[in-house]
Amino acid sequence: EVQLVESGGGLVQPGGSLRLSCAASGFTFSSLWMSWVRQAPGKGLEWVANIKQDGTEKNYVDSVKGRFTISRDNAKNSLCLQMNSLRAEDTAVYYCVRGKMGFDYWGQGTLVTVSS
Amino acid sequence: DVVMTQSPLALPVTLGQPASISCRSSQSLVHSDGNTYLNWFRQRPGQSPRRLIYKVSNRDSGVPDRFSGSGSGTDFTLKISRVEAEDVGVYYCMQGTHWPPGFGGGTKVEIK
Repeated sequence: EVQLVESGGGLVQPGGSLRLSCAASGFTFSSLWMSWVRQAPGKGLEWVANIKQDGTEKNYVDSVKGRFTISRDNAKNSLCLQMNSLRAEDTAVYYCVRGKMGFDYWGQGTLVTVSS
Repeated sequence: DVVMTQSPLALPVTLGQPASISCRSSQSLVHSDGNTYLNWFRQRPGQSPRRLIYKVSNRDSGVPDRFSGSGSGTDFTLKISRVEAEDVGVYYCMQGTHWPPGFGGGTKVEIK
């Protein structure tokens, strides 16, 4: 059974940093692209970043470029999102999602709240 | 960026009756590999999104056959042949053909 379990969310002040993690199981993690998608409270879905199987290609939505870094550890079946210089508009539930175009499995999400 | 436009925003339906959601893209979603990467998701209240349909018309495992997807190019439709109570939630279309991947604004399906 495919499982994606996010952790690391919480309350952080504007300008602060947070590191999200996603533990993957039930599939060959190293063979698939992985993505992060977020959802602001009461709003729709927004793709944030993705990373190639071997980590050599990474893509970001314009609003997070230079502030967020996606990474993966295939030995530990783990996906991460390092978020720096956080802004109020980054407040959202962040989902770990399998794939680049298919998005077939989603984690339960972790809430990030940026507020003073 | 490709803009995904869904309609209607809200869809009140009677149990047992059909429902239809439209999704239009600002550019053709036919990929250079010949596939059309148009997915449909449902998000029930308090839950993560779940994919229902991929590549326009393919149902995911466990998705009831009352759900069907159709369309081509820039115009796509999700149909529910007979709405059941468990179908309530927000439905999103999503394109994966062009970078960046993008979602429609969502359609809230509720029971009358």
